Amino acid sequence: QSALTQPASVSGSPGQSITISCTGTSSDVGGYNYVSWYQQHPGKAPKLMIYDVSHRPSGVSSRFSGSKSGNTASLTISGLQAEDESDYYCSSYTSNNTQVFGGGTKLTVL
Amino acid sequence: QVQLQESGPGLVKPSETLSLTCTVSGGSVSTDTYYWSWVRQPPGKGLEWIGYIYYSGSTNYNPSLKSRVTISVDTSKNQFSVNLSSVTAADTALYYCARVRAGTGMRTSHFDNWGQGTLVIVSS
Repeated sequence: QSALTQPASVSGSPGQSITISCTGTSSDVGGYNYVSWYQQHPGKAPKLMIYDVSHRPSGVSSRFSGSKSGNTASLTISGLQAEDESDYYCSSYTSNNTQVFGGGTKLTVL
Repeated sequence: QVQLQESGPGLVKPSETLSLTCTVSGGSVSTDTYYWSWVRQPPGKGLEWIGYIYYSGSTNYNPSLKSRVTISVDTSKNQFSVNLSSVTAADTALYYCARVRAGTGMRTSHFDNWGQGTLVIVSS
């Protein structure tokens, strides 16, 4: 199975909004509402930020939101803060009853 | 609050079998609400899903690893394990165990709890 496609890096200034895309196919992202997003700080385990395309777990800031259009899912972070600087990964359920991750995106807060 | 903890050798020789165990505390592996998964991350690289197991013993694996990987569950010890055979240097990675929320129709949704990870180096 091929990894989902994410931009290698994105950047933004404090207070701005950024969006990270996650592109798959109709066999994964486009076919199911089981897209999730994870934040991973250096040396730490991934942390769930968004599940089922647009749902936020308890305790995750409302500045994080998710959406999907066709085969592309998106994570938007509004009101960018220094602490948001991290790596972000998307994941999706697939038609083969497996999970697949994106390649990851490094977010830099300028 | 469920916690997951990986354990196993940190150094494995090429061609041998990598074996890791994940101990689950604060919750039971014998639940129909979750799957139990392994994910790895080579140094400086992204996440790769290895596979998962249901408490019934049903498994699904990453097609790229399927010929070499076996995941098992021991409900009496509240643990699940992964074996990866014929390892090479390319299998050097941080290995995470994680809990996966089940979706509808036996699909899987998201990884909601992760262990801290354990580094496994493949080297002679």
